[in-house]
Amino acid sequence: GDSVTQMEGPVTLSEEAFLTINCTYTATGYPSLFWYVQYPGEGLQLLLKATKADDKGSNKGFEATYRKETTSFHLEKGSVQVSDSAVYFCALGGYQKVTFGTGTKLQVIP
Amino acid sequence: SAVISQKPSRDICQRGTSLTIQCQVDSQVTMMFWYRQQPGQSLTLIATANQGSEATYESGFVIDKFPISRPNLTFSTLTVSNMSPEDSSIYLCSVLPGQGSSGGELFFGEGSRLTVL
Repeated sequence: GDSVTQMEGPVTLSEEAFLTINCTYTATGYPSLFWYVQYPGEGLQLLLKATKADDKGSNKGFEATYRKETTSFHLEKGSVQVSDSAVYFCALGGYQKVTFGTGTKLQVIP
Repeated sequence: SAVISQKPSRDICQRGTSLTIQCQVDSQVTMMFWYRQQPGQSLTLIATANQGSEATYESGFVIDKFPISRPNLTFSTLTVSNMSPEDSSIYLCSVLPGQGSSGGELFFGEGSRLTVL
């Protein structure tokens, strides 16, 4: 079945540091890929998505590229801010179902 | 897109009691789901709420423990029955707008945080 493997956390970075959170997936067919973010005390919200190979999703300075050859969808940001502190979930959209990774907690310190 | 309202947003419950969580969507949607997020964990799909028929449960979840109703295309309830401290979690309603066939993004409610004493 479909699965998502996500980088273990927590990740602690200083403000303005470069961020990478790794995500790889296993799926049949051609799924869509997502990154969701959960800020403290809030529900999940979509951060970005990519629906086909080589697509790049981007939002709020975050980017991720759908790499079919490496089955990856790594999340990157060039300069993190304290306000980016949250839990980030990689997810895979299959047939009538979305599968989530385990989540990576990011803490950005001033 | 879809706007989802969930209630209660949080509750503290006694062991052995049951609690029903409501989920209201601002538009008709085909696919509605219930997830559980235990403290510090990822999301686990409990079941797909099917309109007009019994919910489809994932492995490890049963109807007697988590009965679900879906009377129409905008509303669903999840009941957590005979609660124990292990049921302390955030329960999330989510929807897949459109035809929900594949590849669509989920929209989530704010979640219902249950603490069982």
